[in-house]
Amino acid sequence: QPVLTQSSSASASLGSSVMLTCTLSSGHSNNIVAWHQQQPGKAPRYLMRIERSGTSIKGDGIPHRFSGSSSGADRYLTISNLQSEDEADYYCETWDSHTWVFGGGTKLAVL
Amino acid sequence: HLQESGPGLVKPAETLSLTCKVSGAALSSRSYYWGWIRQPPGKGLEWIGTIYYTGTTHYSRSLRSPVTISADTSGNQFSLQLSSVTAADTATYYCACAVKSFDTTGYSYTWYFDLWGRGTVVIVSS
Repeated sequence: QPVLTQSSSASASLGSSVMLTCTLSSGHSNNIVAWHQQQPGKAPRYLMRIERSGTSIKGDGIPHRFSGSSSGADRYLTISNLQSEDEADYYCETWDSHTWVFGGGTKLAVL
Repeated sequence: HLQESGPGLVKPAETLSLTCKVSGAALSSRSYYWGWIRQPPGKGLEWIGTIYYTGTTHYSRSLRSPVTISADTSGNQFSLQLSSVTAADTATYYCACAVKSFDTTGYSYTWYFDLWGRGTVVIVSS
């Protein structure tokens, strides 16, 4: 079963960019990863899925400010031109052999 | 659209039962897995289990309480039952829909949750 590792917190200034990282455990570096955003008090929302090649597929209505990339076992979520509403928890997710796994989440503060 | 429903308070050792009503998609479609995910207060997301249109189920091995997920295709809804609950089962419970996606090679695929319900809070307390 894969394990997803995320930093517990991140911060960046309003209008700047931030890159969040999700690292796949050994043996699972080819896995496709999905990113979800959870604003305070709300349900998670699917943002995009990213594969090892870096190709990403966004969910409906996700702003262009959100983009994905990949390097080895790392799957990145980059948010450009940070807005106050981007302050949220971000979770990555993967699937393997009928098991779904979530990372511990990164709490993003917009300063 | 997914909507969870069920009691917000369950006594310890009893059974937690929740239902997720699905609209806009057919539970009987082979394109989706239907799942339950929970989030204890102040903590991260935990996958509980999923069900496919065939009735096949998959459950997390890390749950302490016995789990059953079932589907009612005529009512287009699926349910979660968690038996012998404890305070550790206190959480917000979400139902969600997973879709299949192939990578650019076409050889590898994954399932991921792309639609979530609003969630329902369940407190386990006497």
